[in-house]
Amino acid sequence: DAKTTQPNSMESNEEEPVHLPCNHSTISGTDYIHWYRQLPSQGPEYVIHGLTSNVNNRMASLAIAEDRKSSTLILHRATLRDAAVYYCILPREAENSGNTPLVFGKGTRLSVIA
Amino acid sequence: KAGVTQTPRYLIKTRGQQVTLSCSPISGHRSVSWYQQTPGQGLQFLFEYFSETQRNKGNFPGRFSGRQFSNSRSEMNVSTLELGDSALYLCASSLARGLASSYNEQFFGPGTRLTVL
Repeated sequence: DAKTTQPNSMESNEEEPVHLPCNHSTISGTDYIHWYRQLPSQGPEYVIHGLTSNVNNRMASLAIAEDRKSSTLILHRATLRDAAVYYCILPREAENSGNTPLVFGKGTRLSVIA
Repeated sequence: KAGVTQTPRYLIKTRGQQVTLSCSPISGHRSVSWYQQTPGQGLQFLFEYFSETQRNKGNFPGRFSGRQFSNSRSEMNVSTLELGDSALYLCASSLARGLASSYNEQFFGPGTRLTVL
């Protein structure tokens, strides 16, 4: 499985942008980069995903390095609700035509200060 | 659209017992995956079911098993419970369009917290 490396924790002030880095130096050419987050006492939720180009959605932006060995999840204006553990994931290749299992690392615990 | 539901939400069992957890996926979703979350090991993939067949399996002992019904609802069973099985068990559903390299957003339920005494 492709491995990802993320900082254990980060802190941000409310209303400020947050850049959450992820290194994935062993990524293969067909690996999509997925981000999920887990709010306290909840199951994980999908944030964003991408392959090569930068991606934007209503929750966040994903900036992918040109060599694809790293990516950055960008929260444009952090709110208290964004305090969560953020996981950068390269899904394992499915063995057959099923879903792609998510291989979670330790993630980055984001704290947001009011 | 209703989200993924899991029952029960909390469960207390003793060593040696067995337990069955239930998961109802989002309507129309045919793939159900199970994950175990512990403070020490984090989130780990258990197995995935699609069209009533186990498609992928994680690295867990045979005491962990599951099944999926024709309506896509899934159950997982843990036999001969051990203290180390205490964890949050999460179920996730997705459309499973079947391409390993394509996007398949997984929707997670709130989990069942199992405590083994």
